[in-house]
Amino acid sequence: GAVVSQHPSRVICKSGTSVKIECRSLDFQATTMFWYRQFPKQSLMLMATSNEGSKATYEQGVEKDKFLINHASLTLSTLTVTSAHPEDSSFYICSARGSGTGTTNYGYTFGSGTRLTVV
Amino acid sequence: DAKTTQPPSMDCAEGRAANLPCNHSTISGNEYVYWYRQIHSQGPQYIIHGLKNNETNEMASLIITEDRKSSTLILPHATLRDTAVYYCIVSRGGSQGNLIFGKGTKLSVKP
Repeated sequence: GAVVSQHPSRVICKSGTSVKIECRSLDFQATTMFWYRQFPKQSLMLMATSNEGSKATYEQGVEKDKFLINHASLTLSTLTVTSAHPEDSSFYICSARGSGTGTTNYGYTFGSGTRLTVV
Repeated sequence: DAKTTQPPSMDCAEGRAANLPCNHSTISGNEYVYWYRQIHSQGPQYIIHGLKNNETNEMASLIITEDRKSSTLILPHATLRDTAVYYCIVSRGGSQGNLIFGKGTKLSVKP
Protein backbone atom coordinates (compact mmCIF):
# COMPACT_ATOMS: atom_id res chain seq x y z
CA GLY A 1 0.00 0.00 0.00
CA ALA A 2 0.86 3.67 -0.09
CA VAL A 3 3.52 4.74 2.40
CA VAL A 4 4.44 8.21 3.59
CA SER A 5 7.70 8.69 5.44
CA GLN A 6 8.10 11.68 7.72
CA HIS A 7 11.37 12.81 9.31
CA PRO A 8 12.50 13.54 11.87
CA SER A 9 10.15 11.82 14.27
CA ARG A 10 11.28 14.01 17.11
CA VAL A 11 13.27 17.24 17.26
CA ILE A 12 14.28 19.65 19.97
CA CYS A 13 15.48 23.08 18.96
CA LYS A 14 16.40 26.35 20.58
CA SER A 15 14.08 29.31 20.45
CA GLY A 16 14.81 31.48 17.42
CA THR A 17 16.17 28.72 15.21
CA SER A 18 14.48 27.09 12.22
CA VAL A 19 13.48 23.48 11.84
CA LYS A 20 12.76 21.56 8.63
CA ILE A 21 10.42 18.57 8.51
CA GLU A 22 10.40 16.28 5.49
CA CYS A 23 7.51 14.27 4.13
CA ARG A 24 8.14 11.72 1.38
CA SER A 25 5.79 9.48 -0.55
CA LEU A 26 7.72 6.25 -1.01
CA ASP A 27 5.76 4.34 -3.61
CA PHE A 28 3.45 6.83 -5.27
CA GLN A 29 3.38 10.32 -6.67
CA ALA A 30 1.93 12.77 -4.19
CA THR A 31 0.20 15.41 -6.25
CA THR A 32 -1.13 17.08 -3.13
CA MET A 33 0.25 17.16 0.38
CA PHE A 34 -1.35 18.42 3.55
CA TRP A 35 0.28 19.62 6.74
CA TYR A 36 -1.46 19.36 10.10
CA ARG A 37 -0.62 20.46 13.62
CA GLN A 38 -1.86 18.78 16.75
CA PHE A 39 -1.60 20.15 20.27
CA PRO A 40 -1.86 17.82 23.29
CA LYS A 41 -5.32 16.33 23.77
CA GLN A 42 -6.64 18.15 20.72
CA SER A 43 -7.57 17.07 17.23
CA LEU A 44 -5.53 17.58 14.09
CA MET A 45 -5.75 21.06 12.64
CA LEU A 46 -5.12 21.54 8.93
CA MET A 47 -2.42 24.15 8.38
CA ALA A 48 -1.91 24.16 4.64
CA THR A 49 -2.37 22.32 1.38
CA SER A 50 0.35 22.16 -1.23
CA ASN A 51 0.25 21.01 -4.81
CA GLU A 52 3.45 19.98 -6.56
CA GLY A 53 5.08 22.96 -8.21
CA SER A 54 2.63 25.48 -6.79
CA LYS A 55 2.53 27.75 -3.79
CA ALA A 56 0.87 26.32 -0.73
CA THR A 57 -2.61 27.38 0.34
CA TYR A 58 -2.70 28.22 4.02
CA GLU A 59 -5.68 27.92 6.31
CA GLN A 60 -6.95 31.01 8.05
CA GLY A 61 -4.81 32.02 10.97
CA VAL A 62 -1.69 30.13 9.85
CA GLU A 63 1.28 32.41 9.21
CA LYS A 64 2.72 31.56 5.81
CA ASP A 65 5.98 33.39 6.52
CA LYS A 66 6.50 31.36 9.65
CA PHE A 67 5.55 27.96 8.26
CA LEU A 68 7.30 27.66 4.91
CA ILE A 69 6.10 24.83 2.72
CA ASN A 70 7.94 23.55 -0.32
CA HIS A 71 6.52 20.88 -2.61
CA ALA A 72 9.10 20.88 -5.37
CA SER A 73 8.71 17.26 -6.45
CA LEU A 74 5.99 14.65 -6.60
CA THR A 75 7.55 12.70 -3.77
CA LEU A 76 8.76 15.34 -1.34
CA SER A 77 7.26 18.17 0.63
CA THR A 78 8.97 20.07 3.40
CA LEU A 79 7.66 22.22 6.22
CA THR A 80 10.10 24.70 7.75
CA VAL A 81 9.19 26.31 11.04
CA THR A 82 11.13 29.57 11.00
CA SER A 83 12.26 31.41 14.11
CA ALA A 84 10.62 28.82 16.28
CA HIS A 85 9.27 29.75 19.68
CA PRO A 86 8.03 27.58 22.55
CA GLU A 87 4.42 28.10 21.47
CA ASP A 88 5.28 26.35 18.19
CA SER A 89 5.96 23.16 20.11
CA SER A 90 3.49 20.65 18.74
CA PHE A 91 2.99 17.42 16.82
CA TYR A 92 3.23 18.07 13.08
CA ILE A 93 1.77 15.52 10.67
CA CYS A 94 1.84 15.38 6.90
CA SER A 95 -0.59 13.64 4.60
CA ALA A 96 -0.25 12.87 0.92
CA ARG A 97 -2.86 12.38 -1.75
CA GLY A 98 -1.51 10.82 -4.86
CA SER A 99 -1.98 9.24 -8.20
CA GLY A 100 -0.52 6.26 -9.93
CA THR A 101 -0.45 2.55 -9.34
CA GLY A 102 1.12 2.84 -5.91
CA THR A 103 -1.80 4.64 -4.32
CA THR A 104 -4.72 3.09 -2.60
CA ASN A 105 -8.26 3.92 -3.52
CA TYR A 106 -8.73 6.18 -0.55
CA GLY A 107 -6.17 8.77 -1.54
CA TYR A 108 -4.99 10.09 1.82
CA THR A 109 -1.97 8.58 3.54
CA PHE A 110 -0.48 10.03 6.69
CA GLY A 111 3.07 10.23 7.92
CA SER A 112 3.98 9.14 11.43
CA GLY A 113 4.34 12.70 12.68
CA THR A 114 7.10 14.91 14.08
CA ARG A 115 7.19 15.96 17.71
CA LEU A 116 8.71 19.45 17.84
CA THR A 117 9.86 20.86 21.15
CA VAL A 118 11.20 24.40 21.22
CA VAL A 119 13.21 25.29 24.31
CA ASP B 1 -16.70 20.11 3.97
CA ALA B 2 -19.57 18.86 6.13
CA LYS B 3 -19.19 18.58 9.88
CA THR B 4 -19.63 15.42 11.89
CA THR B 5 -20.75 14.68 15.43
CA GLN B 6 -19.33 11.81 17.45
CA PRO B 7 -19.57 10.84 21.11
CA PRO B 8 -16.42 11.95 22.92
CA SER B 9 -15.70 8.54 24.43
CA MET B 10 -16.81 4.92 24.47
CA ASP B 11 -15.78 1.75 26.25
CA CYS B 12 -15.81 -1.73 24.82
CA ALA B 13 -14.95 -5.11 26.28
CA GLU B 14 -12.15 -7.02 24.62
CA GLY B 15 -13.48 -9.53 22.11
CA ARG B 16 -16.81 -7.78 21.73
CA ALA B 17 -17.94 -5.68 18.80
CA ALA B 18 -17.33 -1.97 19.02
CA ASN B 19 -19.97 0.17 17.33
CA LEU B 20 -18.95 3.78 16.85
CA PRO B 21 -21.68 6.17 15.67
CA CYS B 22 -21.29 9.32 13.61
CA ASN B 23 -23.84 11.93 12.58
CA HIS B 24 -23.29 13.88 9.37
CA SER B 25 -26.69 15.35 8.63
CA THR B 26 -25.37 18.03 6.24
CA ILE B 27 -23.41 15.65 4.01
CA SER B 28 -23.55 16.44 0.31
CA GLY B 29 -24.30 13.94 -2.42
CA ASN B 30 -20.69 13.81 -3.63
CA GLU B 31 -19.10 13.50 -0.20
CA TYR B 32 -17.68 10.29 1.15
CA VAL B 33 -17.61 9.13 4.76
CA TYR B 34 -14.08 8.33 5.90
CA TRP B 35 -12.97 6.72 9.13
CA TYR B 36 -9.47 7.09 10.49
CA ARG B 37 -8.02 6.27 13.87
CA GLN B 38 -5.08 7.67 15.77
CA ILE B 39 -3.16 5.77 18.35
CA HIS B 40 -1.33 7.98 20.79
CA SER B 41 1.55 9.97 19.24
CA GLN B 42 1.17 8.39 15.81
CA GLY B 43 -0.18 9.57 12.50
CA PRO B 44 -3.80 8.75 11.64
CA GLN B 45 -4.43 5.32 10.16
CA TYR B 46 -7.01 4.74 7.45
CA ILE B 47 -9.77 2.31 8.36
CA ILE B 48 -12.50 2.43 5.75
CA HIS B 49 -14.57 4.76 3.63
CA GLY B 50 -17.87 4.69 1.74
CA LEU B 51 -20.30 6.74 -0.29
CA LYS B 52 -23.71 5.09 -0.13
CA ASN B 53 -23.34 1.36 0.28
CA ASN B 54 -22.18 -0.49 3.33
CA GLU B 55 -18.52 -1.44 3.15
CA THR B 56 -16.41 -4.12 4.78
CA ASN B 57 -12.69 -4.76 4.81
CA GLU B 58 -10.25 -6.69 6.95
CA MET B 59 -10.36 -4.06 9.68
CA ALA B 60 -13.97 -3.01 10.00
CA SER B 61 -17.43 -2.58 8.55
CA LEU B 62 -19.09 0.71 7.70
CA ILE B 63 -22.84 0.98 7.83
CA ILE B 64 -24.32 4.10 6.21
CA THR B 65 -27.98 4.90 6.67
CA GLU B 66 -30.15 5.16 3.59
CA ASP B 67 -30.49 8.94 3.96
CA ARG B 68 -26.69 9.14 4.49
CA LYS B 69 -27.14 11.37 7.51
CA SER B 70 -25.37 8.99 9.85
CA SER B 71 -23.07 6.02 9.86
CA THR B 72 -21.64 3.41 12.20
CA LEU B 73 -18.17 1.96 12.24
CA ILE B 74 -18.08 -1.60 13.49
CA LEU B 75 -14.98 -3.31 14.80
CA PRO B 76 -16.23 -6.90 14.97
CA HIS B 77 -13.87 -8.24 17.65
CA ALA B 78 -12.17 -5.41 19.49
CA THR B 79 -8.72 -5.98 20.94
CA LEU B 80 -6.66 -3.90 23.35
CA ARG B 81 -4.69 -2.60 20.36
CA ASP B 82 -7.86 -1.02 19.01
CA THR B 83 -7.78 1.54 21.82
CA ALA B 84 -7.46 4.84 19.93
CA VAL B 85 -9.26 8.00 18.90
CA TYR B 86 -11.56 7.31 15.98
CA TYR B 87 -12.37 10.09 13.55
CA CYS B 88 -15.36 10.19 11.22
CA ILE B 89 -14.79 12.65 8.37
CA VAL B 90 -16.86 13.58 5.35
CA SER B 91 -15.06 14.82 2.30
CA ARG B 92 -15.32 14.91 -1.46
CA GLY B 93 -12.17 12.80 -1.56
CA GLY B 94 -10.44 11.85 -4.78
CA SER B 95 -8.64 14.73 -6.42
CA GLN B 96 -10.69 17.32 -4.55
CA GLY B 97 -11.39 18.08 -0.97
CA ASN B 98 -9.35 17.52 2.12
CA LEU B 99 -9.76 15.86 5.50
CA ILE B 100 -10.94 18.15 8.28
CA PHE B 101 -10.75 16.39 11.62
CA GLY B 102 -13.31 16.84 14.37
CA LYS B 103 -12.78 15.78 17.95
CA GLY B 104 -13.39 12.09 17.34
CA THR B 105 -14.35 9.32 19.75
CA LYS B 106 -11.87 7.98 22.24
CA LEU B 107 -12.46 4.22 22.26
CA SER B 108 -11.11 2.36 25.24
CA VAL B 109 -11.04 -1.42 24.91
CA LYS B 110 -10.91 -3.03 28.33
CA PRO B 111 -9.86 -6.58 29.22
